Amino acid sequence: DGGITQSPKYLFRKEGQNVTLSCEQNLNHDAMYWYRQDPGQGLRLIYYSQIVNDFQKGDIAEGYSVSREKKESFPLTVTSAQKNPTAFYLCASSKSGGYSYNEQFFGPGTRLTVL
Amino acid sequence: AQKVTQAQTEISVVEKEDVTLDCVYETRDTTYYLFWYKQPPSGELVFLIRRNSFDEQNEISGRYSWNFQKSTSSFNFTITASQVVDSAVYFCALDNYGQNFVFGPGTRLSVLP
Repeated sequence: DGGITQSPKYLFRKEGQNVTLSCEQNLNHDAMYWYRQDPGQGLRLIYYSQIVNDFQKGDIAEGYSVSREKKESFPLTVTSAQKNPTAFYLCASSKSGGYSYNEQFFGPGTRLTVL
Repeated sequence: AQKVTQAQTEISVVEKEDVTLDCVYETRDTTYYLFWYKQPPSGELVFLIRRNSFDEQNEISGRYSWNFQKSTSSFNFTITASQVVDSAVYFCALDNYGQNFVFGPGTRLSVLP
């Protein structure tokens, strides 16, 4: 089955630690995205990538880093510089980026809690 | 700047009632796309519809219908004969110059039995 997988589903982190959230897709999509969702709020864009080895900052990129070494993978690292990382993180992909206006498909999300 | 407003934070209806979720957007683009997503309690967003700025025809899919009006910059979503399974958070989104999406804050719909 084609889709987007995110792991882990729940993640606990101590303050001062970096953690990496995994996102993998087998839809052969070019573009991938990371969003953050806080309780009762909408989605805010962290980073996005339209092609391999290229990515752009979204609205709230500070304290986060990404890589896009493979088409199917777009891991997100939450660094210790992110002051309030407790949130629900959603990964998405779309067929292609850059003026293609394709719908995005979402993974099941990772809920990160900082202890 | 691109912006999406969903003024209704929460709506509660009784099963079988019709309900309309409002979405108002702002953009300077002449070519743009609008989207609706459903987020059930499991958390994963489910794509519902995509509509481009040149197509103002209303769309109906089963119990769902969408009304797009460029004159009022609105893209409203109606659920007819609501069911408990429709309970979710619904997001309206606007493409951001074709690069990514801008999401509205969402409307939480509760359908009571």
